[in-house]
Amino acid sequence: LAKTTQPISMDSYEGQEVNITCSHNNIATNDYITWYQQFPSQGPRFIIQGYKTKVTNEVASLFIPADRKSSTLSLPRVSLSDTAVYYCLVGDGSASKIIFGSGTRLSIRP
Amino acid sequence: SAVISQKPSRDICQRGTSLTIQCQVDSQVTMMFWYRQQPGQSLTLIATANQGSEATYESGFVIDKFPISRPNLTFSTLTVSNMSPEDSSIYLCSVSYGRYNEQFFGPGTRLTVL
Repeated sequence: LAKTTQPISMDSYEGQEVNITCSHNNIATNDYITWYQQFPSQGPRFIIQGYKTKVTNEVASLFIPADRKSSTLSLPRVSLSDTAVYYCLVGDGSASKIIFGSGTRLSIRP
Repeated sequence: SAVISQKPSRDICQRGTSLTIQCQVDSQVTMMFWYRQQPGQSLTLIATANQGSEATYESGFVIDKFPISRPNLTFSTLTVSNMSPEDSSIYLCSVSYGRYNEQFFGPGTRLTVL
């Protein structure tokens, strides 16, 4: 399983776009990039998954450059309720185990 | 999506005792996972539980301390044995499900050992 590196914490303000970058230099050819969100006192929740280029859903966008050694989770117009820990994970997308890194603690201020 | 429930939601236990945590899923799933999360920390995978076979434990976790049962495709239990205060943590179960094989997590069991 490829190791990931993310900033420990980030701060932003309501209404701003937030971009969280994850480094995964040892990503394998068949690996996907997946992001999870965890609120206090809850289990993590799947946000988005991608393999290359750009993926967008109703919650976020995921940008993956051609070399796939990094990825950026983009949250448009954040609100206070987006305050959470965001985890970047890399794996082959099968139903096998996933290993969580340290995550990025995002704090949104009014 | 898969809906997961856990029992108990929280417990306070005395050292030396054991606690069994139950995890129930509303769909049949092949693989279930047990994690531990200490306050302010990330999740640590304890083991993977497949129905009909022995659980596979991660480094640092052993069956004698964390026995796991997986009697069918919708249920699993994790026992925390001979507890010490260092076992105080949140224990979460999860399953792989859906289009992306994303993991769905239960609400967690908050364990405090005195």
